[in-house]
Amino acid sequence: ETGVTQTPRHLVMGMTNKKSLKCEQHLGHNAMYWYKQSAKKPLELMFVYNFKEQTENNSVPSRFSPECPNSSHLFLHLHTLQPEDSALYLCASSQDQREDQETQYFGPGTRLLVL
Amino acid sequence: GESVGLHLPTLSVQEGDNSIINCAYSNSASDYFIWYKQESGKGPQFIIDIRSNMDKRQGQRVTVLLNKTVKHLSLQIAATQPGDSAVYFCAEFYGGYQKVTFGTGTKLQVIP
Repeated sequence: ETGVTQTPRHLVMGMTNKKSLKCEQHLGHNAMYWYKQSAKKPLELMFVYNFKEQTENNSVPSRFSPECPNSSHLFLHLHTLQPEDSALYLCASSQDQREDQETQYFGPGTRLLVL
Repeated sequence: GESVGLHLPTLSVQEGDNSIINCAYSNSASDYFIWYKQESGKGPQFIIDIRSNMDKRQGQRVTVLLNKTVKHLSLQIAATQPGDSAVYFCAEFYGGYQKVTFGTGTKLQVIP
């Protein structure tokens, strides 16, 4: 609906597993973002990519590893996660990372449960 | 269903009434603000924005008011409809999307 798709929509993984979240935007945008949304906390910005270059890493633990192979795709690689990492992971895109550009569009999110 | 909305303050309004949702922001230097709507199972959706050099902005059925003196932002929804039921949260920006702080959100329930 928004032009930003995320897969999978739901993911259950053990603490020793390695998995990847995928985001794809069909809007021709240059900036892409990963956010974490926990049930009891505000939305948290994790990573920002602008023109495939990482411009922000908000003190995210190294068990989360982003990858942006091109302006349309963004991955979040997960390994040795903790139960407290269970959350909704949202991807977003915008024309540019400056707020005075086009609106930021969010995907539907991946609901992650770490056991 | 999704857990967005659990443990959040809830505002219940009758269909057709006006809704007012409030947000207190933290950074007096924030220069841009957005209100988002998030329905169950979906990502946040932009509703309306306002820059710090303004104190009011109107959209279709929505109005945002900014009071920089007390660092307060409000969202007014006129003639609230069942489709307005969602979690609403504010975001404050300082220097672009990479410097953002989000509010925890308010759950709006519209009673038919």
